[in-house]
Amino acid sequence: GAVVSQHPSRVICKSGTSVKIECRSLDFQATTMFWYRQFPKKSLMLMATSNEGSKATYEQGVEKDKFLINHASLTLSTLTVTSAHPEDSSFYICSARPLAGAYNEQFFGPGTRLTVL
Amino acid sequence: DQQVKQNSPSLSVQEGRISILNCDYTNSMFDYFLWYKKYPAEGPTFLISISSIKDKNEDGRFTVFLNKSAKHLSLHIVPSQPGDSAVYFCAASPRANFGNEKLTFGTGTRLTIIP
Repeated sequence: GAVVSQHPSRVICKSGTSVKIECRSLDFQATTMFWYRQFPKKSLMLMATSNEGSKATYEQGVEKDKFLINHASLTLSTLTVTSAHPEDSSFYICSARPLAGAYNEQFFGPGTRLTVL
Repeated sequence: DQQVKQNSPSLSVQEGRISILNCDYTNSMFDYFLWYKKYPAEGPTFLISISSIKDKNEDGRFTVFLNKSAKHLSLHIVPSQPGDSAVYFCAASPRANFGNEKLTFGTGTRLTIIP
């Protein structure tokens, strides 16, 4: 149980295009999903907290118009990188907090490798 | 401002011996600590956690120790196995506040178990 999937696992796009990444909790409902970014050999940095049915809460320094988050259902959150540039190339990971889980229990997806040319 | 630090970027341990991974934190608001294991191109997998009301938590081969006064925690793996080779992240969460379960991650330690 507690499986989180991400799609796509890898994407290569041209500079200026937009890319959508999906995060799904497959066997549980999640009111809260988190989006992280990891640079090579660096820590996971929280980008935003996504709550079902409400606006996402972005961390300081993360552009909300650049990284659009939609949490339309209890099992799906999407991250759209708008007008992507090479500096947006990174490994993006989502996590989901089960509806009935402990307050800081999170299950992570496998991640999405974004490469912007 | 790195609030959770893992000062050893890498560690090599002989199979069967004990692996000790260390983590330090600076934020006194943290009261719940977790260790995650991560393979390349995969998301982190939860290993073990500890609340600030405890100083030790054990789960099979994994034991986490917490020293609140020193703001230090460590993960012990014994005996170490080749499958333990991965990057280990410690993470911290603030005092229980529903909706504020943000995890702050350390920079990770790459553990290599030598057969």
